[in-house]
Amino acid sequence: DQQVKQNSPSLSVQEGRISILNCDYTNSMFDYFLWYKKYPAEGPTFLISISSIKDKNEDGRFTVFLNKSAKHLSLHIVPSQPGDSAVYFCAASAYNFNKFYFGSGTKLNVKP
Amino acid sequence: EAGVAQSPRYKIIEKRQSVAFWCNPISGHATLYWYQQILGQGPKLLIQFQNNGVVDDSQLPKDRFSAERLKGVDSTLKIQPAKLEDSAVYLCASSFPGQGAGGFFGQGTRLTVV
Repeated sequence: DQQVKQNSPSLSVQEGRISILNCDYTNSMFDYFLWYKKYPAEGPTFLISISSIKDKNEDGRFTVFLNKSAKHLSLHIVPSQPGDSAVYFCAASAYNFNKFYFGSGTKLNVKP
Repeated sequence: EAGVAQSPRYKIIEKRQSVAFWCNPISGHATLYWYQQILGQGPKLLIQFQNNGVVDDSQLPKDRFSAERLKGVDSTLKIQPAKLEDSAVYLCASSFPGQGAGGFFGQGTRLTVV
């Protein structure tokens, strides 16, 4: 039973344009969400988070949007850079439990 | 600050053999996680420790997998006997309890069972 879903396995974007990565979840108890970035042969690294009390969190070129009613979150990268090419995972938890459920990842390719 | 250390980086074994992975978390991190990441999937939590106590091992196949965290620092994950479907990357992560940024991950151990 996959509680966090990333339905797009891959995304290709031109350098300088916006990248939008999507994530859906099914468990209404989830109240804390993370995005991780993973390069080949490395472990995932934390990118940005959002709590369910917010609908938007911004950090430089990265913005995460949360739509609780739709159980949907998205990561926007503006402008996209070739160094952003990686696999992006979203993860969710019921914060008190500190246990995260991961999506299957979206491979982003930013073309120069 | 040193990151999460894992060894070995790669391991190839035959089915029914045993294998062990080692993890050294970031100093001071009380929470330690072991994840299994099968190709094309996201990491799946196998076991979570708080200091040397198990918080969650609901997805650990206990008939063949075991893990321990002696003295609340280093941890080992063992598979005995291995099956073909155990081929995956095994990731260790650590964090402070309730840390908002989730876990800090090691590079992982890629296991291939043939």
